[in-house]
Amino acid sequence: NAGVTQTPKFRILKIGQSMTLQCAQDMNHNYMYWYRQDPGMGLKLIYYSVGAGITDKGEVPNGYNVSRSTTEDFPLRLELAAPSQTSVYFCASSYSGGNSGNTIYFGEGSWLTVV
Amino acid sequence: AQSVTQLDSQVPVFEEAPVELRCNYSSSVSVYLFWYVQYPNQGLQLLLKYLSGSTLVESINGFEAEFNKSQTSFHLRKPSVHISDTAEYFCAVSAGAAGNKLTFGGGTRVLVKP
Repeated sequence: NAGVTQTPKFRILKIGQSMTLQCAQDMNHNYMYWYRQDPGMGLKLIYYSVGAGITDKGEVPNGYNVSRSTTEDFPLRLELAAPSQTSVYFCASSYSGGNSGNTIYFGEGSWLTVV
Repeated sequence: AQSVTQLDSQVPVFEEAPVELRCNYSSSVSVYLFWYVQYPNQGLQLLLKYLSGSTLVESINGFEAEFNKSQTSFHLRKPSVHISDTAEYFCAVSAGAAGNKLTFGGGTRVLVKP
């Protein structure tokens, strides 16, 4: 089972460059999420999506954009990369039939360094 | 809005000793509570969760957590740890109004020493 797949795993960007982190899930989950993880800060929600064509901001959306054209894919775009965006990024997905506390499944992470 | 506080950022423990990881949350509505584990260079995996019913929940690898509503806590315990339990542990809360979005604590790094 592939689960949640993220690419690339590692990337170094220069300040001002742009890039897209790819995320795909094969579990037919309707909810998908992007989190960033910084040391000692836990995970912060960047954006999430409750289904194809629907996205919404999380806690820390500035400097990022997302789209959800299909159920499977949820790419995260960084425009004009800044050193503050150096972090580990996790894509995740879940099935949600309302507020049922369903398990969220995470990808293995993408390590991004902006220099 | 909800928040989660993990009181210990690091917990060193000897193999076969017990461990307790503390987690407190705040929320104005009913919550679902989770513990996730992250092994080095990997994503997060669900360890256990509390949704309703019995306040004591257990995982398949010997961890347990108890939901205490009056103290707004969800501490994680294991009576005897193994080297393989070395990892970072995250407490998280999902509140009803927030749907399925999780709010995470800052994490507790457990280092099991032989």
